Amino acid sequence: AQSVAQPEDQVNVAEGNPLTVKCTYSVSGNPYLFWYVQYPNRGLQFLLKYITGDNLVKGSYGFEAEFNKSQTSFHLKKPSALVSDSALYFCAVRDFGGTSYGKLTFGQGTILTVHP
Amino acid sequence: DAGVTQSPTHLIKTRGQQVTLRCSPKSGHDTVSWYQQALGQGPQFIFQYYEEEERQRGNFPDRFSGHQFPNYSSELNVNALLLGDSALYLCASSRTVLIGAFFGQGTRLTVV
Repeated sequence: AQSVAQPEDQVNVAEGNPLTVKCTYSVSGNPYLFWYVQYPNRGLQFLLKYITGDNLVKGSYGFEAEFNKSQTSFHLKKPSALVSDSALYFCAVRDFGGTSYGKLTFGQGTILTVHP
Repeated sequence: DAGVTQSPTHLIKTRGQQVTLRCSPKSGHDTVSWYQQALGQGPQFIFQYYEEEERQRGNFPDRFSGHQFPNYSSELNVNALLLGDSALYLCASSRTVLIGAFFGQGTRLTVV
């Protein structure tokens, strides 16, 4: 069975500093990995995905993520944080193949707070 | 192009009642998945519909059922509501040949 772990419940950074939100995964084959952001009382907004190819994936709002197969990690990064980046971030892995049809398995989420 | 739309946005029900939530997928999408997000948790997969049939199901009891219509819209039905069913219910749509899903704003269900 696939799984995702987000080891930090909360991440606090100062505006203008780089930020990292950590994610590790476990799958039986090659992973499809995603990052979503959720603002209060809202649905999930897609940030970026890794399917194959370059290990550094660029996404929306200046976010990027680095895929590391040997460490089974897919950490979300941004060079310079904004106060408006404060939100709840979810890492997810999609299963595929056999009788699976793209079900997403999510981590528990990480609350990112960017201080002015 | 409207994205994924869900209705209603908020709902309050009493224990034992039944509820129906609705979802219209993004234009061009043929697959609808439903997720339950309890407070402080990540979304949990309930089931997925494609070609009007349930194609994959998560670890949810039979009280949770669904339907997909010919226009690809979908309903989630929950019978015999429990307090623990209180959650944000998210609908996600996708295309079979594409990788990735778009989520709606969700329906906040409160069971009292």
